[in-house]
Amino acid sequence: QKEVEQNSGPLSVPEGAIASLNCTYSDRGSQSFFWYRQYSGKSPELIMFIYSNGDKEDGRFTAQLNKASQYVSLLIRDSQPSDSATYLCAVRRDYGQNFVFGPGTRLSVLP
Amino acid sequence: KAGVTQTPRYLIKTRGQQVTLSCSPISGHRSVSWYQQTPGQGLQFLFEYFSETQRNKGNFPGRFSGRQFSNSRSEMNVSTLELGDSALYLCASSKDDTDTQYFGPGTRLTVL
Repeated sequence: QKEVEQNSGPLSVPEGAIASLNCTYSDRGSQSFFWYRQYSGKSPELIMFIYSNGDKEDGRFTAQLNKASQYVSLLIRDSQPSDSATYLCAVRRDYGQNFVFGPGTRLSVLP
Repeated sequence: KAGVTQTPRYLIKTRGQQVTLSCSPISGHRSVSWYQQTPGQGLQFLFEYFSETQRNKGNFPGRFSGRQFSNSRSEMNVSTLELGDSALYLCASSKDDTDTQYFGPGTRLTVL
């Protein structure tokens, strides 16, 4: 079992719709959870992070964390073609320990 | 504030050669992590340096090594290159206390 799993996609949504990206992790001791966006040919850029159970909103993005289910998701409201990218989920057990990345989900927002 | 920089951006080597990649973190960041990214394996953690010491290490062979200098700049070395080492090598820096990691633009290594 891989440590961090994501559906590889591609996930296709129409412009203006809500895109839902999911991530599960195996290490129950994980404390920090991150979402990165990576455009083709570019390096990953941080979208947001979440530490506590529940929802965290930042503009059109909402991260949701459920530690009991070992599940973290990213919702993108009012999806735009510019959101088309690969979204990477990353997990960290604690300070001083390395990040573990999932394989990424490729999102395609259709105009 | 300047971002993470990596040099060179592109590199072509042949099998058996060795290569050194460089990473300069964001000013004030003491942690530098290195990753290998390939289409098949995704983003794989190589190692992390903090205050000139290797703090964490991934599951890569000993041909992959690194170091960090007193100014937090880091280098990664790959010896006896293999075709499978062709990848995008990314470094990321973070302030240890804020836990947020920022990536550089990467070095695209092609091994022929």
